[in-house]
Amino acid sequence: NAGVTQTPKFRVLKTGQSMTLLCAQDMNHEYMYWYRQDPGMGLRLIHYSVGEGTTAKGEVPDGYNVSRLKKQNFLLGLESAAPSQTSVYFCASTNKIRRGYTFGSGTRLTVV
Amino acid sequence: TQLLEQSPQFLSIQEGENLTVYCNSSSVFSSLQWYRQEPGEGPVLLVTVVTGGEVKKLKRLTFQFGDARKDSSLHITAAQPGDTGLYLCAGAHGDAGGTSYGKLTFGQGTILTVHP
Repeated sequence: NAGVTQTPKFRVLKTGQSMTLLCAQDMNHEYMYWYRQDPGMGLRLIHYSVGEGTTAKGEVPDGYNVSRLKKQNFLLGLESAAPSQTSVYFCASTNKIRRGYTFGSGTRLTVV
Repeated sequence: TQLLEQSPQFLSIQEGENLTVYCNSSSVFSSLQWYRQEPGEGPVLLVTVVTGGEVKKLKRLTFQFGDARKDSSLHITAAQPGDTGLYLCAGAHGDAGGTSYGKLTFGQGTILTVHP
């Protein structure tokens, strides 16, 4: 089925370890986003991309890096994980905001 | 940061009751969206409202965009257990292709539980 696929679904990291979250979409969407979701805080934008080869900072970018080398993929990296990065991470994409975002099913990350 | 205040944060009701969720901001939005999220899944779009004063109905759900495009409400009539979930409002400051690059600002969410 067409949509947004996130891998992995779950991950436990030790403080200081690094990892990359992968987001892949097959809808030919130009715009892609990474959000984190924490209890009582809704969804907060980490980084976003308006097209292949472009990235920009969102509301909470510190401690994260992103890359969009191919239009269909948007990678989120944590260079040195911290317990404050324990969260559920969602990737989303769209071509036209009024049609809404298509979200992936999320990655639950725990940093111990 | 453009804030969206959503209320109430929690709502626990019996099947058959009516409810309203509110989404308020001091900012003007070009459009406002409502999403529903189930545990372990990403949010799914319910509706987009664009025009101030607009009312949209989706079966038992009624969505309204304020005249000034700063607030919105979601009303559910005769709630059912299948309505249980997290409801999120999200405001857009422009269309994809404009300077806001389609970014959405999300409210904190309302966790709705409908008991049989």
